[in-house]
Amino acid sequence: QKEVEQNSGPLSVPEGAIASLNCTYSDRGSQSFFWYRQYSGKSPELIMFIYSNGDKEDGRFTAQLNKASQYVSLLIRDSQPSDSATYLCAATSGTYKYIFGTGTRLKVLA
Amino acid sequence: DTGVSQNPRHKITKRGQNVTFRCDPISEHNRLYWYRQTLGQGPEFLTYFQNEAQLEKSRLLSDRFSAERPKGSFSTLEIQRTEQGDSAMYLCASSYTGGAYGYTFGSGTRLTVV
Repeated sequence: QKEVEQNSGPLSVPEGAIASLNCTYSDRGSQSFFWYRQYSGKSPELIMFIYSNGDKEDGRFTAQLNKASQYVSLLIRDSQPSDSATYLCAATSGTYKYIFGTGTRLKVLA
Repeated sequence: DTGVSQNPRHKITKRGQNVTFRCDPISEHNRLYWYRQTLGQGPEFLTYFQNEAQLEKSRLLSDRFSAERPKGSFSTLEIQRTEQGDSAMYLCASSYTGGAYGYTFGSGTRLTVV
């Protein structure tokens, strides 16, 4: 069974710190990887996607992909209380379907 | 373009009743997806349309579930004879390409079966 695994948390970081969120996936055929942010009671919102090994930066967010280790991470710099949410990692399964992890709950403490 | 629109936002129904949800994708997106999310879990794939063709249906979708996308525009998801286990958030998403660059999700329909 194809899986995406995440630590459910909560991960607590002080305001202004770097939050590091991690994810592993089982399907070596997965080509693209995504980080979605989900506030309580709301739908997922795409933050970043990555498909090449290495780092990809967008503002305060950096996604990292290591296909050999089947590992994806998201770094959030200068964390703000508004970043407190559940972060979902997803991997493509085939060309259009995503397998989601259960999410990591992040708490940024003011 | 106001994004992916889903209606209703919330639905409470009695067990055994039929319910129908509607999704209006972003207008230029020809691919449409339905996912289901229960509390504490990530979204799970239900079905996929490319234009009006339903190309995949998950085993999660029992015979009580049916989805349509007439004319490749909006989509409906119907659940017949609802059960308490159907209580979940039903998420619709759309994309222009096959999902390599991310979906845009709608706000979801939260179904509660009592």
